[in-house]
Amino acid sequence: DVKVTQSSRYLVKRTGEKVFLECVQDMDHENMFWYRQDPGLGLRLIYFSYDVKMKEKGDIPEGYSVSREKKERFSLILESASTNQTSMYLCAISIPGQGLFFGEGSRLTVL
Amino acid sequence: GESVGLHLPTLSVQEGDNSIINCAYSNSASDYFIWYKQESGKGPQFIIDIRSNMDKRQGQRVTVLLNKTVKHLSLQIAATQPGDSAVYFCAENAAYQFYFGTGTSLTVIP
Repeated sequence: DVKVTQSSRYLVKRTGEKVFLECVQDMDHENMFWYRQDPGLGLRLIYFSYDVKMKEKGDIPEGYSVSREKKERFSLILESASTNQTSMYLCAISIPGQGLFFGEGSRLTVL
Repeated sequence: GESVGLHLPTLSVQEGDNSIINCAYSNSASDYFIWYKQESGKGPQFIIDIRSNMDKRQGQRVTVLLNKTVKHLSLQIAATQPGDSAVYFCAENAAYQFYFGTGTSLTVIP
């Protein structure tokens, strides 16, 4: 079974804080994604990575950065959290020919 | 961006009845589609997928139908159970990108 682990399920941060969201996969998959999910807007792609040290901007990269130092780990970074970044963040991996698989999500609240 | 939408935002069905959830997509180049189930507070769970060279695919109690002529996708759940209550949304894959609908909230009435 595909396993995508997001270590932090719920976080509460203050405006201006730096936030790290981590995602770990237990298989040797190249493609990893970060989405945010907001009511009425569906899933929106923030960043994705096709390999170690590679990253590509998605549709809404502003205010975010990512890090992929090891194949199994893809981190999303909010350099200075703002209230409009309160959201559900979802990490996913894609397996060519088999689909896109998500972690359990990290619900971030920025006060 | 792509337009992937759902016809109804909410759906209520009686336990034991069949459920049908619909999805429209706009990109004729999309060649792969997925249905997800998302329970409250959890990540989306892969239910079933279908490729554009197929019209129908069946799983356990679920069937996905694809009508490429009208760019329409549907998910049928047989004998709906209380555990099926969740948000369901579709995804389309075109040019290595995935695009998602906003979801239909299914409520199963005991």
